[in-house]
Amino acid sequence: LAKTTQPISMDSYEGQEVNITCSHNNIATNDYITWYQQFPSQGPRFIIQGYKTKVTNEVASLFIPADRKSSTLSLPRVSLSDTAVYYCLVGDRSDYKLSFGAGTTVTVRA
Amino acid sequence: KAGVTQTPRYLIKTRGQQVTLSCSPISGHRSVSWYQQTPGQGLQFLFEYFSETQRNKGNFPGRFSGRQFSNSRSEMNVSTLELGDSALYLCASSLNFLSGEGEAFFGQGTRLTVV
Repeated sequence: LAKTTQPISMDSYEGQEVNITCSHNNIATNDYITWYQQFPSQGPRFIIQGYKTKVTNEVASLFIPADRKSSTLSLPRVSLSDTAVYYCLVGDRSDYKLSFGAGTTVTVRA
Repeated sequence: KAGVTQTPRYLIKTRGQQVTLSCSPISGHRSVSWYQQTPGQGLQFLFEYFSETQRNKGNFPGRFSGRQFSNSRSEMNVSTLELGDSALYLCASSLNFLSGEGEAFFGQGTRLTVV
């Protein structure tokens, strides 16, 4: 399983764009990159998943360079309710589990 | 459609007791996995079930066990509770966990406090 490294915390202000970069130097050919969001005392919530290039959905974008050794989650125009822990996961899930790291605590201020 | 339902939401138990937690996955989902979340260790994988078969187990003592029923509902049991078992226990369901694509849906969790 590829190990991931992401910043422990990030601060932002309402209306700004937040970009969280995750490093995964040992990513394997079959691995996908997935991001989850978690609020206190709740289960993680799937945000976005990608394999290469760029993926966009209604809440976020995921940028993956050609070498796939890193990825960047982009949250456009954040609000106070986006304050949460964001986890970057890498794996093909063939061992039937999700491996969570420490995550990035994003704090959005007014 | 209804999400993943975990019961109970909160539980207080005494050391040495045992506890059973329940998880009802999203309708049609056959994969159910369990996770323990503590401030010190973060989110750790306990086990995963698919069609009543355990396919993987995390690095937890034998006091932690689980099972899945034919309707995909799952239970996990912790025997001889220790103070360190106090945690948020999360259940996740998915259509086909084996696939590299797709998402796992998590329940709200059961907050277990051992006193």
